[in-house]
Amino acid sequence: QVQLVESGGGVVQPGTSLRLSCAASGFTFRNSAMHWVRQAPGKGLEWVAVISYDGSNQYYADSVKGRFTISRDNSKNTLYLQTNSLRAEDTALYYCARPHNGGYHGGLDYWGQGTLVTVSS
Amino acid sequence: QSALTQPPSASGSPGQSVTISCTGTSSDVGGYIYVSWYQQHPGKAPKLVIYEVTKRPSGVPDRFSGSKSGNTASLTVSGLQAEDEADYYCTSYAGTNTPCVFGTGTKVTVL
Repeated sequence: QVQLVESGGGVVQPGTSLRLSCAASGFTFRNSAMHWVRQAPGKGLEWVAVISYDGSNQYYADSVKGRFTISRDNSKNTLYLQTNSLRAEDTALYYCARPHNGGYHGGLDYWGQGTLVTVSS
Repeated sequence: QSALTQPPSASGSPGQSVTISCTGTSSDVGGYIYVSWYQQHPGKAPKLVIYEVTKRPSGVPDRFSGSKSGNTASLTVSGLQAEDEADYYCTSYAGTNTPCVFGTGTKVTVL
């Protein structure tokens, strides 16, 4: 069965960095694009970034462009999100998610449980 | 990358139907078939209930249906049940540089 397990969240000060990870299993990870989506406490869902199946292309929301970097290691079936220059408004539960058809525009049919990032001084 | 517009809330009695709208532009909802809908219960990860405007993933009841007209997509939940009470979000593809934009979310209450 498909499983996505995020880790790496925590409480950090503004301006610092965190690397989030998402361990994937139960499907052919190297064949699928992957997304990060976040949800601030009590707020709606916000798309963050997507990476192509082979890592050659990445796209970002304007709110994180230049500060966050999405990457993947297909040999380890793991997706990453490097978050730099963190701001209070980046406080959120970060989910990784798989598109049902492996492409950028597929509906996201599997989600992890999320990892919480709290940015506070 | 403006969020798609959804009504904040919708409600219906058990057995009735509720329809949620999702309004975008010709650059997102109106321009592509890649509109999806998600159901999210409190404290849970979102669940895909509709993709490509009208298609239901395996296991999603046929009480959930989707449609689109122009720049507005809609999700209809027929035969409302208590477990349908949740937040619902639409998303749309908006081109290569913006593969995904979410709606503002709608809280559905079963009266």
